[in-house]
Amino acid sequence: ETGVTQSPTHLIKTRGQQVTLRCSSQSGHNTVSWYQQALGQGPQFIFQYYREEENGRGNFPPRFSGLQFPNYSSELNVNALELDDSALYLCASRISSGGTYEQYFGPGTRLTVT
Amino acid sequence: GEDVEQSLFLSVREGDSSVINCTYTDSSSTYLYWYKQEPGAGLQLLTYIFSNMDMKQDQRLTVLLNKKDKHLSLRIADTQTGDSAIYFCADRTGRRALTFGSGTRLQVQP
Repeated sequence: ETGVTQSPTHLIKTRGQQVTLRCSSQSGHNTVSWYQQALGQGPQFIFQYYREEENGRGNFPPRFSGLQFPNYSSELNVNALELDDSALYLCASRISSGGTYEQYFGPGTRLTVT
Repeated sequence: GEDVEQSLFLSVREGDSSVINCTYTDSSSTYLYWYKQEPGAGLQLLTYIFSNMDMKQDQRLTVLLNKKDKHLSLRIADTQTGDSAIYFCADRTGRRALTFGSGTRLQVQP
């Protein structure tokens, strides 16, 4: 049990639609990252938030955006969905201080775009 | 850019030791991680090692790091059928995000 939860578990959307995925981190985890894991591949970094500000981004277009809230929850928003956006979306949280380097992942949201 | 590579598949018999290998390219990597992923599930953190360490042992798990060759390995002693999963290595540089390999599928035969 990592203390990181995600909703929904599964989601089916149509190409061109918009989607919001949610993550709830452990209390005190001030850094949250989102990853995309396509079938048969390792997770790819989308972006990272620290104290509600984006402080790192991977090679993903601007239609991938996010928010982090003071209650340790966060959102990933994807606009204008494409078929290639079908993947498992993982959020991960950690504490960015105090010499703690463990990063814990949620169970993921499986997004299918048709 | 950064790259992390792993072999795709490993098959062992129950009770044997498993060794999963990983190579990385970023010489600035400061922490290296091993995660386990079971079918349909998220990633479970198994262990991690600082780049100034050569070895870390945690119960049945032993991590070896050869920083000169940028080679990381995970040894699982007395492998059980419950260890069957995909294992990912990942590295981190500074405060940046994790860079993952493509994963090694471990199959444990009874």
